[in-house]
Amino acid sequence: GENVEQHPSTLSVQEGDSAVIKCTYSDSASNYFPWYKQELGKRPQLIIDIRSNVGEKKDQRIAVTLNKTAKHFSLHITETQPEDSAVYFCAASLYGNKLVFGAGTILRVKS
Amino acid sequence: GAVVSQHPSWVICKSGTSVKIECRSLDFQATTMFWYRQFPKQSLMLMATSNEGSKATYEQGVEKDKFLINHASLTLSTLTVTSAHPEDSSFYICSARAQVGGEYEQYFGPGTRLTVT
Repeated sequence: GENVEQHPSTLSVQEGDSAVIKCTYSDSASNYFPWYKQELGKRPQLIIDIRSNVGEKKDQRIAVTLNKTAKHFSLHITETQPEDSAVYFCAASLYGNKLVFGAGTILRVKS
Repeated sequence: GAVVSQHPSWVICKSGTSVKIECRSLDFQATTMFWYRQFPKQSLMLMATSNEGSKATYEQGVEKDKFLINHASLTLSTLTVTSAHPEDSSFYICSARAQVGGEYEQYFGPGTRLTVT
């Protein structure tokens, strides 16, 4: 079955700097790769996603890149703000079916 | 649109009792819903896939007789934790699969915090 690895497990950046979180997946059939932000005790919130027919997607300060050949995808957050501090999860899925999540990255933005 | 609710938001029960958690899609129909479990400081792990009108598909290592799933309508799936024990204490989150613009996405409920004493 699918296996998703996520790095780093924790990331501390200064406010205004960029943050990058990387994930690799094992099943080449996976074609949907969402990123979620989760605050303590809350539901995961979809922040951006990418499908296998696209190599890059951007939404304001957030971007995701996908390398199907290498089976990895990355989340890029620019101009980080204190409210970006949270746990971020990547996931992989086939057509939006069962999601396999990475282990998560704790992002701390220091002001 | 695409709102998913869960009830209750938190529950405390005694060891050996059963607890039912409801997951509802409020403004769309969901033939497929998913149940995830999240232990403190860990990731979300899929427990089972719930399909309307048919038996749920459980992930390896999840006891189907302990975690009963019923998806009796297109807007409601329930998870019953039977004979709960302290090790079942966790954050249970459901999601519902919806088609948006020809593509499928999952929408998460707010989660249910279960504490077994």
